[in-house]
Amino acid sequence: DIQMTQSPSSLSVYVGDRVTITCRASQSISSYLNWYQQKSGKAPKLLIYAATSLQSGVPSRFSGSGSGTDFTLTISSLQPEDFATYYCQQSYSTPQTFGGGTKMEIK
Amino acid sequence: EVQLVQSGAEVKKPGESLKISCKTSAYSFTGYWIGWVRQMPGKGLEWLGIIYPGDSRTTYSPSFQGQVTISVDKSITTAYLQWSSLKASDSAIYYCARQMVGGPFDYWGQGTLVTVSS
Repeated sequence: DIQMTQSPSSLSVYVGDRVTITCRASQSISSYLNWYQQKSGKAPKLLIYAATSLQSGVPSRFSGSGSGTDFTLTISSLQPEDFATYYCQQSYSTPQTFGGGTKMEIK
Repeated sequence: EVQLVQSGAEVKKPGESLKISCKTSAYSFTGYWIGWVRQMPGKGLEWLGIIYPGDSRTTYSPSFQGQVTISVDKSITTAYLQWSSLKASDSAIYYCARQMVGGPFDYWGQGTLVTVSS
């Protein structure tokens, strides 16, 4: 199985901060990397697919980069509604796997 | 509008069987995979498996192989996740989601809470 390692596992930040979350795959997954946002009690929501493509309707302050084994999700200026948990997922091979999550909290 | 609507919360006893559903609408059911994802209380997302409704091809995570069964009924564009003998450790929220080959889960169901307790 491909292991996905996300860091940090939690983050305490201010509104307006620039935030970067990283995700590392245990082997190359090309660009088959997706990012999701999950708010408490809700289903995950797709933010970024294929490492860099912004899902329709997602604000442009979200961006993704990387390929191979190392990927990042960046939020350029954190808004109050962005406080949530973020997950990466590889869809390169089965079993598909998720990172452990990054919980973002207000400082 | 694409929708995946899951069946309601369930409370079961250990050893009982269960089948939860994921009713889809507003897209070609046989053109996309449907996956199932588990989220245990306070924990992260775990991929259980996927099914291609066109021919019912199914792939399971080794961690869940033999523990659950994924199926579909094309006539009513619905996917299912079932257990033959529940354990307390199966207590979790289960999500269904739509996926293209190699792509992301782009639409998700609202989740079904399964509670297994004696």
